[in-house]
Amino acid sequence: GNSVTQMEGPVTLSEEAFLTINCTYTATGYPSLFWYVQYPGEGLQLLLKATKADDKGSNKGFEATYRKETTSFHLEKGSVQVSDSAVYFCATLTGNQFYFGTGTSLTVIP
Amino acid sequence: KAGVTQTPRYLIKTRGQQVTLSCSPISGHRSVSWYQQTPGQGLQFLFEYFSETQRNKGNFPGRFSGRQFSNSRSEMNVSTLELGDSALYLCASSTGQGRNTEAFFGQGTRLTVV
Repeated sequence: GNSVTQMEGPVTLSEEAFLTINCTYTATGYPSLFWYVQYPGEGLQLLLKATKADDKGSNKGFEATYRKETTSFHLEKGSVQVSDSAVYFCATLTGNQFYFGTGTSLTVIP
Repeated sequence: KAGVTQTPRYLIKTRGQQVTLSCSPISGHRSVSWYQQTPGQGLQFLFEYFSETQRNKGNFPGRFSGRQFSNSRSEMNVSTLELGDSALYLCASSTGQGRNTEAFFGQGTRLTVV
């Protein structure tokens, strides 16, 4: 079947700390992979994506690499800011359907 | 380019009533998906419509239904509301085809059932 497993939250980091949020997936086909971010009171916004193995998606200092051999798409950022506080969702697109993880809440403290 | 528009933003309904939520997708997008988001259950997929046909369906009771019109606008209906239906309902639109497509979300409708 198709599913996405994300690191359990909540995650609390100090400003300028290194961030990793783990994401692994199972898929019946060859999925495209995504990270979405949700700020309080808003819908989800696309953060980055990768459509084939070994592709690296990047945006706003965040990066994730499509690892087909480990079926993973871990999100990283070298130095987080208070404004990065949000909920992060890993997702796959298989066939024509999106599958989302449960979300990981990140709080960055000054 | 206008984004995904959901109306209304907030709703308060009484248990047993029914409610209709609306979603206008990005122009040119033929796929509209609906999700229920709650603190306890996270983001749960309700259904997806593509060119007026329901193409995918999640595991929700029949009280939850939807439809899509010829202009791709979609509505979601919940009948006989229960307290547990209180949630943020999110709509997402996409082209619905190809590996390079992505989902664009609206801001959601916050439904409170009292």
